[in-house]
Amino acid sequence: DARVTQTPRHKVTEMGQEVTMRCQPILGHNTVFWYRQTMMQGLELLAYFRNRAPLDDSGMPKDRFSAEMPDATLATLKIQPSEPRDSAVYFCASGLYRGGATGELFFGEGSRLTVL
Amino acid sequence: AQSVAQPEDQVNVAEGNPLTVKCTYSVSGNPYLFWYVQYPNRGLQFLLKYITGDNLVKGSYGFEAEFNKSQTSFHLKKPSALVSDSALYFCAVRDTGFQKLVFGTGTRLLVSP
Repeated sequence: DARVTQTPRHKVTEMGQEVTMRCQPILGHNTVFWYRQTMMQGLELLAYFRNRAPLDDSGMPKDRFSAEMPDATLATLKIQPSEPRDSAVYFCASGLYRGGATGELFFGEGSRLTVL
Repeated sequence: AQSVAQPEDQVNVAEGNPLTVKCTYSVSGNPYLFWYVQYPNRGLQFLLKYITGDNLVKGSYGFEAEFNKSQTSFHLKKPSALVSDSALYFCAVRDTGFQKLVFGTGTRLLVSP
C-alpha cells in the first residue's frame, strides 16, 4: 500500500531551536509539495519540487525556512530558528506529473509542530 | 490566478439525508477540480476529480460531484449521509503553469445521528 511517510508525527520544541521535518514520497512520484495548515490560515503552500528541482518556494519565509530534496526518496523542510508562530501541522504530498496534466496528490499524515 | 471558494464554514445534516457541500471556482482555461476529505488528526484524502468528460463525477465512499460550467460550481454530494462522513472537506483547483493545487478554506461537515 503506497503512501507518503512523514516524520516526526509530533514535535515540541523551544523557540530558537532548529526543526527538521522529513518526507518520503510515494515511489515513482516526481512532484513533492509542502503545505502548512493552521486554524487561522487554512492550507498554505510553502514549496514544491518536480524531479527534485524546486519550482516555487514563494510561500515560505525565506529567512528561516528551507526545503530540499537530497534524493528522490527524501524531502526535507527545515526551520531555523523556530518561532511560536511556526506552530502548525506541516503536510507533505506527492504526485506524478507527466505530459500536460497531473493526477491527484497523495498526502502524508502530517507533522504537528509546537514551538514554545 | 486560479481559485476556489467554499462559502460554508459548516454544513449540518441528519444521517440518512442527502448532503451537499458547495464549491465555486475561478479559472482561466479548462478547470481541473478536486475534492479532498480530512478526518481529525489525519492527512487529506483524495475523493474525486473532474478533468473532462461527464459532468457528474463519482468518487470514493459514495460521494459524487457535479460540475456546472455555467455556474462555475463543483458541488460535492452524497445521497444518504453517514455519521462517519463527518469531517473537513476541501475543494481544490489545479493551478496553471506548475500544476500545483490551490485549496479552498474547507467546509466542516457534521452528520448527526
